Amino acid sequence: NAGVMQNPRHLVRRRGQEARLRCSPMKGHSHVYWYRQLPEEGLKFMVYLQKENIIDESGMPKERFSAEFPKEGPSILRIQQVVRGDSAAYFCASSPEDSGANVLTFGAGSRLTVL
Amino acid sequence: DAKTTQPTSMDCAEGRAANLPCNHSTISGNEYVYWYRQIHSQGPQYIIHGLKNNETNEMASLIITEDRKSSTLILPHATLRDTAVYYCIVRVRGQGAQKLVFGQGTRLTINP
Repeated sequence: NAGVMQNPRHLVRRRGQEARLRCSPMKGHSHVYWYRQLPEEGLKFMVYLQKENIIDESGMPKERFSAEFPKEGPSILRIQQVVRGDSAAYFCASSPEDSGANVLTFGAGSRLTVL
Repeated sequence: DAKTTQPTSMDCAEGRAANLPCNHSTISGNEYVYWYRQIHSQGPQYIIHGLKNNETNEMASLIITEDRKSSTLILPHATLRDTAVYYCIVRVRGQGAQKLVFGQGTRLTINP
């Protein structure tokens, strides 16, 4: 049973380009969470999604950032017109439908570098 | 969710027990205590959680005081690979929006 798979592991973009980060949750998990970690800082919640629905996006920047979790395929975190301040590690986590235990399984992260 | 307070950093000798404290004086009756850790550059890893009874698993033990205002995570025989940032999080179990809010955690360094 593979864990949470994130790709790409490393992504380099120039300012103004778009970044797309993908997350495949663990088998049987229908809840996905995205977190961002700036260099030398803590983990910040961004968004929580269930299949085809955004449940909580209270941590998402108002502009340029969007997330989706379609019925088929991985969850996508999309950053448009990237700026240097977007350089960070982006972690995805997943949990099962009936996860009263609040145990999240995290992926290895995608590291975005904006030149 | 109740706020937690942890020391910024701690050191422990390899082979010794590492005891990581966490204060959560405003915890409410239906809130659980969760511990996660993040080894350098990796994704966070779940360790253990509990409500009021002490808990033990293959990774660690969790001791919660009787008044539930504080707890201690115990790594019984710390190894160099236990060097990480440890996060204590208080959360209602099973609540609809299940996001976890990470604080600054305790940076634990295991010394040879």
